[in-house]
Order: sequence, then structure tokens, then C-alpha cells
Amino acid sequence: QSALTQPASVSGSPGQSITISCAGTSSDIGNYNYVSWYQQHPGKGPKVIIYDVSKRPSGVSDRFSGSKSGNTASLTISGLQTEDEAEYYCNSYTTISTWVFGGGTKVTVL
Amino acid sequence: QLQLQESGPGLVKPSETLSLTCTVSGDSISSTSYSWGWIRQPPGKGLEWIGSTFTSVSTQYNPSLKSRVIISSDTSKNQFSLKLNSVTAADTATYFCTRRRSGTSYRDYWGQGALVTVSS
Repeated sequence: QSALTQPASVSGSPGQSITISCAGTSSDIGNYNYVSWYQQHPGKGPKVIIYDVSKRPSGVSDRFSGSKSGNTASLTISGLQTEDEAEYYCNSYTTISTWVFGGGTKVTVL
Repeated sequence: QLQLQESGPGLVKPSETLSLTCTVSGDSISSTSYSWGWIRQPPGKGLEWIGSTFTSVSTQYNPSLKSRVIISSDTSKNQFSLKLNSVTAADTATYFCTRRRSGTSYRDYWGQGALVTVSS
């Protein structure tokens, strides 16, 4: 299975909105609504911020939203804040009953 | 409060077997509500799913690691374990144990992570 494709980096100014794409195939993202997104700050473990494409866990800011179109999922961060500077990973279930991650996207707040 | 705690040697020699255990407190690994798994992250790199176990019976593995990995469970101790054999320097990583809600992609709890270095 191949890793999902994410841009290496995305940047934005405070208050702006940014979108991170996660490209997969019909064997993963395109076949299931089992896409999740994780935020990881340096030296910390990952934290789930979106699951099942667009669901937000309790306690996660509503500035984070997820969507999917075809074989590509997206994470949008609205009203960008300095604490949003982190690495973001997408993850999807696959048709061979496994899970695959994206390579990660570093978000920089300018 | 649910807690997952990885334990095991922090240093493993090349060609030997990496063994880690995840001790779960606050939930039963026999529950049908959750799946329990392992994810790793090499230093400075991204996340890689290793595999998972459900109800201590069903297991799934990353195809790229399948020939070297075994995930097993000890329900009496409420623990699940990872064994990765024939390790090389490429297996050096922080290993996380996780819980995922069944029927969803909601991986809600992670252990703090255990750094395992493969070196002679």
C-alpha cells in the first residue's frame, strides 16, 4: 500500500484559513468514510482532531473541519492561530483492511 | 481515566527481535467496542501503521511489515504486545500503542510512546 499524499508544508498568517489536502486512491479514501486527521506538536504524541472525514471529537476547536471529495480528503483550519503550528497527518482505512497514513504536512503560522 | 503505557527495551541489536508491551488501564482489551494497535514514527519522520488486534483474536498487519510482525494479547493482564523480528536501523522509531473505536476511524487514546533504537 502506498502512503497518502500530503503537501510537505502549508503556511498562513494569523486569522487566515488554510487547507491541507490528502490524496489517496479508490482503494482507500475513495472507498470509505474512515479518514482521520492528527495534529502533532514537536516532542509530543499525535492528537486526533477529525475522524470519519468530518467529525470533531469533544474538546477540539470548531476552527478545524474536514471534508472529502472523491479520492481526496481535506483539512481546513479557519482563523489560524499560533498554537496551530504543528505537523498534521491524514489516515485512511483501505480495502485490504489496513490503515495508511499521509507523509505529514508542516503548518507554519507566519 | 484510560491509560496506555508502552514498556520494553530501548535498545535492540540488529537482526534481533524488538518486543514491546502495552499495558491498558481503565478499559478491557477484550471489549468489542475498540481495536488496539501499534503505530511507529522514526526520528524526524512520519507515522506508520504497524498493525492492530480486535477482541484479542483478529489481527491485521501492514503488508510491508507482515512477514516480521506479531501482535498478541494477554487478556489476564490486560496487555497487548508487539514483536518485530530481524530488525535493522530502519526500525529505529518511537512506538505508540493506541485504541480505536470500532467501526470508526476515531483513534482516541495513544500511549506516550517508547523510543526503540536498533544499534550494535
